[in-house]
Amino acid sequence: DVKVTQSSRYLVKRTGEKVFLECVQDMDHENMFWYRQDPGLGLRLIYFSYDVKMKEKGDIPEGYSVSREKKERFSLILESASTNQTSMYLCASSLDRGPGTQYFGPGTRLLVL
Amino acid sequence: GNSVTQMEGPVTLSEEAFLTINCTYTATGYPSLFWYVQYPGEGLQLLLKATKADDKGSNKGFEATYRKETTSFHLEKGSVQVSDSAVYFCALSGRSGNTPLVFGKGTRLSVIA
Repeated sequence: DVKVTQSSRYLVKRTGEKVFLECVQDMDHENMFWYRQDPGLGLRLIYFSYDVKMKEKGDIPEGYSVSREKKERFSLILESASTNQTSMYLCASSLDRGPGTQYFGPGTRLLVL
Repeated sequence: GNSVTQMEGPVTLSEEAFLTINCTYTATGYPSLFWYVQYPGEGLQLLLKATKADDKGSNKGFEATYRKETTSFHLEKGSVQVSDSAVYFCALSGRSGNTPLVFGKGTRLSVIA
């Protein structure tokens, strides 16, 4: 079974802090994705990556950056956390071939005070 | 661009009732269609998928048929259980695994005994 793990289930940070959210997948998937989930808005794509050291902006990249130094790890970085970044963050991965079934981690619920 | 519209919730049903959650989409080309489910406190799991017109995806008693003529992928289950209480997301993607998913806003289902 595919396993996608996220470094924290819950995180509390202060405004202005730099925040790292880590995601690791164990199935050698080429593609990795970061979404945020908010009530009434569903899931929105922040960034994704097709390969090591490659990244593409999603629908809402402002205030975020990403890093993919190794194939299995995809990090989301909040350079200076703000209260409007309080949300649930979901990481996903997929194989490059075939229709895009994505496998999700359990999510990190981030609260920015 | 691609988009997914699904019925708003919450939906509350009694155990053994029939479930329909409507989903329609707008897309160029021939997308793949998915239903994901999110149980309380967890990440998203793939429930079922269909990759071409008239395909029927099914899993755990849930079914959905890819209807190109009506651009729909409605989720149905003949007899819901309390354990089906969750949030259901309709999604679409392009033909390749590196195409990000586009999600609907989610429909919360509560099943009462």
